[in-house]
Amino acid sequence: GAVVSQHPSWVICKSGTSVKIECRSLDFQATTMFWYRQFPKQSLMLMATSNEGSKATYEQGVEKDKFLINHASLTLSTLTVTSAHPEDSSFYICSLASGREEETQYFGPGTRLLVL
Amino acid sequence: AQKVTQAQTEISVVEKEDVTLDCVYETRDTTYYLFWYKQPPSGELVFLIRRNSFDEQNEISGRYSWNFQKSTSSFNFTITASQVVDSAVYFCALSEAGSYKYIFGTGTRLKVLA
Repeated sequence: GAVVSQHPSWVICKSGTSVKIECRSLDFQATTMFWYRQFPKQSLMLMATSNEGSKATYEQGVEKDKFLINHASLTLSTLTVTSAHPEDSSFYICSLASGREEETQYFGPGTRLLVL
Repeated sequence: AQKVTQAQTEISVVEKEDVTLDCVYETRDTTYYLFWYKQPPSGELVFLIRRNSFDEQNEISGRYSWNFQKSTSSFNFTITASQVVDSAVYFCALSEAGSYKYIFGTGTRLKVLA
């Protein structure tokens, strides 16, 4: 499998501020990373697909200007929640696709965001 | 359209019981992949198994086993002799070949009581 880290693991911020979440691949180069959001007791919702060196592809209904994704290297993708509001409070999870293992995604430990 | 249905929202069993988690999928693709992930209370999704559409062999890994039946579009997961540590939310997911994108089911919350 692949080892994926996320930082921070949890963050509390005031409404109106921006929060950056990092997703790192620790043991191989990931050309594709995914960002998900998960509300309590719900399934994972794909927000966007992040490809190294190109613009992210956002799912329908996800505001690209609010959720900025940067995949500047093969081991790092960042998600910035801009002007966060309480409704953005959620569990954000990244994953990366392992080209070595038939479509398999490996997930980071997640970041819990609470916007006050 | 692709879809994954996990009809069981929550299951409670007593330790050492066997339990089966159901997963039914819909896809028009002939080549696709199915997955099971475990999400313990910590939140991190743990990969359990991947199965491609051309491999209908059932698989056993310790106390875990999977039954893939294309005829009924099902990919069920059985835990034998359940343990408290098996308590988690289990997600079934579908991916069409080449896309890497997953369609997740809604998850089944399994509670194993001591």
